[in-house]
This record gives sequence, structure tokens and C-alpha cells, in this order.
Amino acid sequence: RKEVEQDPGPFNVPEGATVAFNCTYSNSASQSFFWYRQDCRKEPKLLMSVYSSGNEDGRFTAQLNRASQYISLLIRDSKLSDSATYLCVVNKVGRDDKIIFGKGTRLHILP
Amino acid sequence: DAGVIQSPRHEVTEMGQEVTLRCKPISGHDYLFWYRQTMMRGLELLIYFNNNVPIDDSGMPEDRFSAKMPNASFSTLKIQPSEPRDSAVYFCASSWDRGGYGYTFGSGTRLTVV
Repeated sequence: RKEVEQDPGPFNVPEGATVAFNCTYSNSASQSFFWYRQDCRKEPKLLMSVYSSGNEDGRFTAQLNRASQYISLLIRDSKLSDSATYLCVVNKVGRDDKIIFGKGTRLHILP
Repeated sequence: DAGVIQSPRHEVTEMGQEVTLRCKPISGHDYLFWYRQTMMRGLELLIYFNNNVPIDDSGMPEDRFSAKMPNASFSTLKIQPSEPRDSAVYFCASSWDRGGYGYTFGSGTRLTVV
């Protein structure tokens, strides 16, 4: 099983719709989780951290399910500007902590 | 703060040539990371430094790759000799934490080896 796995998409969603995607991780001891956003030909940027209790930032909601080892990202009232690749990031717990990036889920918001 | 600064933005070189990528991290960040991104493999960690010391280079593909951080404000990633399969976008990132908080990426260097 891959350390961090995402559906590559693309998800083609009409503007204004709600879209959600998940990311699974293999290391049950992982402690830190994040969603990054990467625009075409740009660098990844932190979108939000994912907390155990779930967290919300405007139209974005992130959830963590430790039992099933996945995190999710929900985008409500999607905008054209939400079109990007969303990278799931999980820390790899071990002698040297480091974070592992998923390959990303591509999202296209359609006008 | 100017953020993480990488140079060059684009590099086209012939197979066999030496390539040097440069990175200036954010001042005060103790960690510096070099990543490579391709469509096939996604974003891969090549090496990271803590306080200028290389900590984990297990992601460096082979001996043709080397990285240095002579001081807190500068790092280089060198490929010698370069091969077409090295074509990718190389990102440098810096952070005050290795666990994922506060990562800031540079704009990347798009390397094409022909």
C-alpha cells in the first residue's frame, strides 16, 4: 500500500457545486496532516492543516478519520479560482520525521 | 520577506552537462528541503538539511546528485552528469519545523535535459 494515496481525478465540477475528495494513508502512527494547493506551473502552498476534531476555513472543511486512516477535503460553493491540484500531506513518523506528499487530485471548476 | 528564492527558473541543458540549482531559504528557517516533481512520481523529497547539516539524503536518486548548504542562507543541488530522465521541476522549501508546519516552497526550477 502506498504511503499516501489520492484519486488523481480530474474532478470536473460546475461552479457553485460542492466537491469532496479523500486521501488515504498507510502509517497509523502519523500525527500531522495537511492539504496543500498547487496551481498549474506553480509551487505548492499550504491550504489548511487537518485537526483531529476537523476544521473549517470559509468554504473549505477538512476532516480526519483515524480509524479508517483517511483525510478529506470538502469545498462548498466552488469558484472558478478553486481549479487546482490538491495535495494530501501526511507526516511519516519514525527516527526522522518527514512529510510525504500525495500525487494530488486535479480539480476543474466549470463555468 | 521575499520568500524562498530559487534560481534559475528554467534550465535547458544537454545530456552530460553539469547543472547547478540554487536556493535561498527564508531567514530564520532551520530546515531546508529539496524536492523533485514529475507527473509520474509526484513530489519526491531528495534531501533535507537542519541547521545547514544534511540529515536525510535517502531520496537522492544516485551519485550524480549532490547537495550542499554552506551557510544558513544558501543551498545548491548539483547534477553531474545530467541525463534526460532528470528532467523535472525541482523545488526548494524551507521551514521552522520538519513535521509539516510552516513549509514554504520556492517557485521551482524547471529542468529540461536534452
